[in-house]
Amino acid sequence: SQQGEEDPQALSIQEGENATMNCSYKTSINNLQWYRQNSGRGLVHLILIRSNEREKHSGRLRVTLDTSKKSSSLLITASRAADTASYFCATENSSYKLIFGSGTRLLVRP
Amino acid sequence: DTGVSQDPRHKITKRGQNVTFRCDPISEHNRLYWYRQTLGQGPEFLTYFQNEAQLEKSRLLSDRFSAERPKGSFSTLEIQRTEQGDSAMYLCASSLARRLTGEGNEKLFFGSGTQLSVL
Repeated sequence: SQQGEEDPQALSIQEGENATMNCSYKTSINNLQWYRQNSGRGLVHLILIRSNEREKHSGRLRVTLDTSKKSSSLLITASRAADTASYFCATENSSYKLIFGSGTRLLVRP
Repeated sequence: DTGVSQDPRHKITKRGQNVTFRCDPISEHNRLYWYRQTLGQGPEFLTYFQNEAQLEKSRLLSDRFSAERPKGSFSTLEIQRTEQGDSAMYLCASSLARRLTGEGNEKLFFGSGTQLSVL
């Protein structure tokens, strides 16, 4: 079963625009991670935010975490066509199991 | 290339046959995970190992599925008496737990997966 739910399920934007994806989860977590998957390939780790952190940056990525609302957001700034992929949030629980959401499919139009 | 390799990349089998997949994690990683992914969905947790110990197995996993990680190195996932519903991408990932006393994972490194088609 999935713990995280991403919103929206699909997002289409123009190159240069920002893309925001949201993730909600149900139980307490050790950390929350975001992964990217290109079609037919394995997942690639993007960024990890721990439960005691509220915001983290990595290049064009910005992640926020609100543990009181059990939600996170991923912002990709100045998007590029190469950012087209599926993005998944994943939560690590107390048994170190990483549970993935259903993903947001991002299309960046050139 | 993440350093995690899976073999084979593709497997086509007939219903009722047994299949076995192999995963070679990054050598110093002590945790190894198996996931299953169907089209348009996120990866679904199957099981994970810390070194050679299988610590958790999904309740969704039937008795036809078994996984091993002898000597805490490579891992195999076997599906017996395959069914059409087993068709999916099977993903392996490894990570290094910061401390064996129970620190959380750092990031997971995923292999490219084994695509199983059951006819």
